[in-house]
Amino acid sequence: GAVVSQHPSRVICKSGTSVKIECRSLDFQATTMFWYRQFPKQSLMLMATSNEGSKATYEQGVEKDKFLINHASLTLSTLTVTSAHPEDSSFYICSALGQYGYTFGSGTRLTVV
Amino acid sequence: TQLLEQSPQFLSIQEGENLTVYCNSSSVFSSLQWYRQEPGEGPVLLVTVVTGGEVKKLKRLTFQFGDARKDSSLHITAAQPGDTGLYLCAGARNNNDMRFGAGTRLTVKP
Repeated sequence: GAVVSQHPSRVICKSGTSVKIECRSLDFQATTMFWYRQFPKQSLMLMATSNEGSKATYEQGVEKDKFLINHASLTLSTLTVTSAHPEDSSFYICSALGQYGYTFGSGTRLTVV
Repeated sequence: TQLLEQSPQFLSIQEGENLTVYCNSSSVFSSLQWYRQEPGEGPVLLVTVVTGGEVKKLKRLTFQFGDARKDSSLHITAAQPGDTGLYLCAGARNNNDMRFGAGTRLTVKP
């Protein structure tokens, strides 16, 4: 079946630094990738949608300059949290849409201290 | 307001009881999916429904997609402690973006 590899699974960073999260589709090509954020005991909230080779579409209220998304190939999308602050601490999950439907990564737990 | 209204948000029942989780929207979906998520992990797909009126069964779980493709339900028969978890419905519209309901946190007590 389809597998999406998301790294890192956990990261702790200092306030003001940037963190990059990678999402790779291992055995299929992802026409579209989605990035979600999930706060404790809440559901997944869509942050942005990205198509390979084009700019990401951000949801209302999500700062595109703070959450940089790059989808340079059909198998890789990255989310960079720039100038991270403690309020950015959350669980970030990617999803890839391909021939097998939607496949989710295992998530990244970001803690900003 | 969320695109998908999921209820109940919390449910605590005894082992052996039945339960139903609902997912409703005013929007039409090209497909609707149900996931189960464990803490610290990504959601795991349980089922995808695409046809209005469709019913799918997965062991003790029965999923139904409304005729108008705006709502869905998940019914669990004879719940077991192993069913404890967060259940999420998610809908994809024609533009393919998938949005989630608020989730139902189920606890099944032995």
